[in-house]
Formats: sequence, C-alpha cells, structure tokens
Amino acid sequence: DTEVTQTPKHLVMGMTNKKSLKCEQHMGHRAMYWYKQKAKKPPELMFVYSYEKLSINESVPSRFSPECPNSSLLNLHLHALQPEDSALYLCASSQPRGRFYEQYFGPGTRLTVT
Amino acid sequence: DAKTTQPTSMDCAEGRAANLPCNHSTISGNEYVYWYRQIHSQGPQYIIHGLKNNETNEMASLIITEDRKSSTLILPHATLRDTAVYYCIVRGLTGANSKLTFGKGITLSVRP
Repeated sequence: DTEVTQTPKHLVMGMTNKKSLKCEQHMGHRAMYWYKQKAKKPPELMFVYSYEKLSINESVPSRFSPECPNSSLLNLHLHALQPEDSALYLCASSQPRGRFYEQYFGPGTRLTVT
Repeated sequence: DAKTTQPTSMDCAEGRAANLPCNHSTISGNEYVYWYRQIHSQGPQYIIHGLKNNETNEMASLIITEDRKSSTLILPHATLRDTAVYYCIVRGLTGANSKLTFGKGITLSVRP
C-alpha cells in the first residue's frame, strides 16, 4: 500500500469557522509533511513531523495548527482563516532519513475560505 | 529558493522521447537531483533521483552531466498521460538541506 489519503477532498469554510484536514498513511513512514499550493504555483512546505514530533515549521501563521496523534495520522487544524489561505493543501509521508527517501503525496484537500 | 532552473514549457509528440532539461550549477557534492511530476489536480509523484551516475527505472531515465551542473530527465515513449508539470529538485539528505523545495517546474504537453 503506497497510498496517502486525505479528507475531505474539498472544503469551504467561513473566516470564523474551525475545521480540520486529515491525512493518513499505512506505509510505516515516520515523517509526515504539510504543503500548501496556490493556483498555478509550486507546492510550499509548511510543516514537517518526524517520529510524531514537529521538526520544521516554515513560519506558518498560528491560525494553522498541525497535530500528529500517531505515526499514521496527521491533522491540520484551521481557525480564523483568511480568503488568501484558499489553496490546495497537500500531505506527504516518507522515511525520515536515509539514502532512499522519496515523499509520497496525497491528492490534496482543496480549501476555499469565504 | 529553488536551486534549479528549468524551461517554462515544452511539448512532444505521443510515442516520442521527451527530454526535460534542468540546470543546477550550484549543486553541492552531497546533494541529489530529484524529479517529481504533478498531473493536473493530483499530488506530486516521485519519478527518479540520482547523485552522479545515470539512473533508470520503469518510469524514466536520469542523465547527470559529469560536472553535475545539469541533468536531463528522459521519458522514453511519452503518452498523453505524461502531460504534467515536472519539477527538478536538488536536495541533501539531512537537516534543512533535505527539504523538498519546488521551483516553478516545466510544463510538458504531450500532443497526439
């Protein structure tokens, strides 16, 4: 199983809402990632978890709150977002270190903030 | 900042080889060249990576020049499903250097 699943596929939320994005993998990977991709732009790294601990935060605003409850799950909690946060949010997983180290990406959650 | 430069776009005919170039003149000795692609409305997909030797797998071949300042991804028999944005990425294996930093990529259009 080389699949990373993300739910929901689409999400529309108001600026006062609280919502969560979910990501799951069963490849035994111990590193998980959140990326943000605006339209017609490349993906940009937001957060990295390694062994369930936050190892990289790319200066992401606090209205985005990641959580890694176990080695298979990664959440992104959203609160008080702005319309400019509308984007495709991608989750990925990989082995945390080593020579062969590709990241497997999920299909993404397309978020619209109204 | 991305450490690679790629043309904005290219096209090729279905069934022909697609050769996608990438320049990475500032690559360090311990950095690898990775290629990912992103088909429209999907997440990026790993294709291949290499350090200094040429590499081949079931998807593509990667040719790295001897000075390692440039490389070419070769899709030997392009199909319509290969239409995508292809990202050439230079990365190390540890620390901040190990992050996947996507550049603008090259849009490959395969025509019938």
